[in-house]
Amino acid sequence: GAGVSQSPRYKVAKRGQDVALRCDPISGHVSLFWYQQALGQGPEFLTYFQNEAQLDKSGLPSDRFFAERPEGSVSTLKIQRTQQEDSAVYLCASSAHAGTQYFGPGTRLTVL
Amino acid sequence: AQSVSQHNHHVILSEAASLELGCNYSYGGTVNLFWYVQYPGQHLQLLLKYFSGDPLVKGIKGFEAEFIKSKFSFNLRKPSVQWSDTAEYFCAVNEGSGGSNYKLTFGKGTLLTVNP
Repeated sequence: GAGVSQSPRYKVAKRGQDVALRCDPISGHVSLFWYQQALGQGPEFLTYFQNEAQLDKSGLPSDRFFAERPEGSVSTLKIQRTQQEDSAVYLCASSAHAGTQYFGPGTRLTVL
Repeated sequence: AQSVSQHNHHVILSEAASLELGCNYSYGGTVNLFWYVQYPGQHLQLLLKYFSGDPLVKGIKGFEAEFIKSKFSFNLRKPSVQWSDTAEYFCAVNEGSGGSNYKLTFGKGTLLTVNP
């Protein structure tokens, strides 16, 4: 596709449920990023992949958060035992080896 | 750790007014600087970027930004705004040179409302 796509666009989960958020980066982009954007805030870095290698996961807020990119293309962000404070928009971005990050539309997660 | 400050939370202008949105960052080393825009209902889009060279950068839709290293600033400007510029604007920075591909630190954003 022409841009970064994310699915689902909206997700409502009950507290304690597990969720999986998908990101399809721009074809050929080596690097992939996940960000979390809380209401009224700018995006905050979660994790970074270069191909299939997760090079930085320093932004993941707890061990309930897990991300993978097994074949160096599609990535999944998984949140286990969701809590209300996990409610946010989760953004995925991709970029070529050295360049601008292009963002997807995000997944809005609401935890009830 | 880096931080990015956008001092204006909400700016309201009339069409044809001039715009300047402030952005200051905390990191003292080499940085790459970006302005992203998010129009209502749309995803984040790159407006302009600075990696090196001429500190006055021109972007899409008539926007420009000036990197002033001594002030750690990268303010966004437009001489005459349009109603269609209504959006949220985010300043962002990452470390490194040559557009190195690493995590961005964002400001909290400035909501711009342009009244017709």
